[in-house]
Amino acid sequence: KQEVTQIPAALSVPEGENLVLNCSFTDSAIYNLQWFRQDPGKGLTSLLLIQSSQREQTSGRLNASLDKSSGRSTLYIAASQPGDSATYLCAVERDTGFQKLVFGTGTRLLVSP
Amino acid sequence: GAGVSQSPSNKVTEKGKDVELRCDPISGHTALYWYRQSLGQGLEFLIYFQGNSAPDKSGLPSDRFSAERTGGSVSTLTIQRTQQEDSAVYLCASSLGWKGTFWTEAFFGQGTRLTVV
Repeated sequence: KQEVTQIPAALSVPEGENLVLNCSFTDSAIYNLQWFRQDPGKGLTSLLLIQSSQREQTSGRLNASLDKSSGRSTLYIAASQPGDSATYLCAVERDTGFQKLVFGTGTRLLVSP
Repeated sequence: GAGVSQSPSNKVTEKGKDVELRCDPISGHTALYWYRQSLGQGLEFLIYFQGNSAPDKSGLPSDRFSAERTGGSVSTLTIQRTQQEDSAVYLCASSLGWKGTFWTEAFFGQGTRLTVV
């Protein structure tokens, strides 16, 4: 059974810091890994999707890397801003023949002004 | 539409009543999924549709839960005889599905917050 873990569970940083969120998964037979953010009381917003053949994806101040063989992904946020405060979730797409995301436990990020 | 739309955004119902939750996926998206997020819990997969068919219903928590999709578009999640433990945020997502060598990006709606009193 695929299990996805995110470390740390919560993170509080001052504005301007660069930070790294970690995601690990137990079964390396995945197709994709997707990072989402969730604001309180809201749905999920897709941030980045990395295909299993890729090693990283970048969007603005966000950079996500994937090491499929070791079962790890990191989300790097540069020059953090208070608006980045949210819960960040990683999810892996299982190699099961149909599309099903298995979500991590989430990292709650607070960026203070 | 521009994004995945869910209705209602909030629903309060009495224990034992039936509820229907609706999802309008992004136009052209063939794959549609339902997830549930209970308070303090992670996201739990419920069901996946490819077109109008659901190849895997194993995620549905009990036989009180059912879902259908018609015309390859709108989906309805029905919960019969609701219980307090059904209280959660129900999220719908859609994607273009399989593209030969990879699964495409999933886009989520804002969710329906269900409260059973």
